[in-house]
Amino acid sequence: SQQGEEDPQALSIQEGENATMNCSYKTSINNLQWYRQNSGRGLVHLILIRSNEREKHSGRLRVTLDTSKKSSSLLITASRAADTASYFCATVTNQGGKLIFGQGTELSVKP
Amino acid sequence: NAGVTQTPKFQVLKTGQSMTLQCAQDMNHNSMYWYRQDPGMGLRLIYYSASEGTTDKGEVPNGYNVSRLNKREFSLRLESAAPSQTSVYFCASSWDFYGYTFGSGTRLTVV
Repeated sequence: SQQGEEDPQALSIQEGENATMNCSYKTSINNLQWYRQNSGRGLVHLILIRSNEREKHSGRLRVTLDTSKKSSSLLITASRAADTASYFCATVTNQGGKLIFGQGTELSVKP
Repeated sequence: NAGVTQTPKFQVLKTGQSMTLQCAQDMNHNSMYWYRQDPGMGLRLIYYSASEGTTDKGEVPNGYNVSRLNKREFSLRLESAAPSQTSVYFCASSWDFYGYTFGSGTRLTVV
């Protein structure tokens, strides 16, 4: 089974609104990463948060991490139609550096 | 700077045929990974290689074999393809626990 579970599975919003995606995971981690994938294409790394960090920002992205609840959230502010994609969280444990993905959230931003 | 190169990009196989997916990276990364992605799902780890000469099973290894030929190359072999192996396959590499680079994928159809 996959390490992470994401919620919601699909999200549809209007341009300009904020989008929030949540990720839960099962085991202790070294770090958690978020990726974007456009329509079956390759993965683009968005942001990484380490296990000793609680919040991180990158442009319009804000990631939080709660290791006590084994959960993370990705916030995209002021969304654009170009943000339409699937978003995946992925965790890295301290054993071997394997990157394990969640099932993803499909985001649709309507103009 | 090519990054991670996968060949072929597309392949159609008949049930029972064998084939090898090739992956090469030019970033001097120690670790390499093979994932599969089925429609509407996240990436699932098939096999990984933490360093040259070592390989380990991931989440879904059945029906696959791998070879870490040298530091640059990590191949995935399907000995007897089955329709359930129809998927998009991604190769990735990393230097440490933080920087992962993905190839553009191989779309495999088994009929």
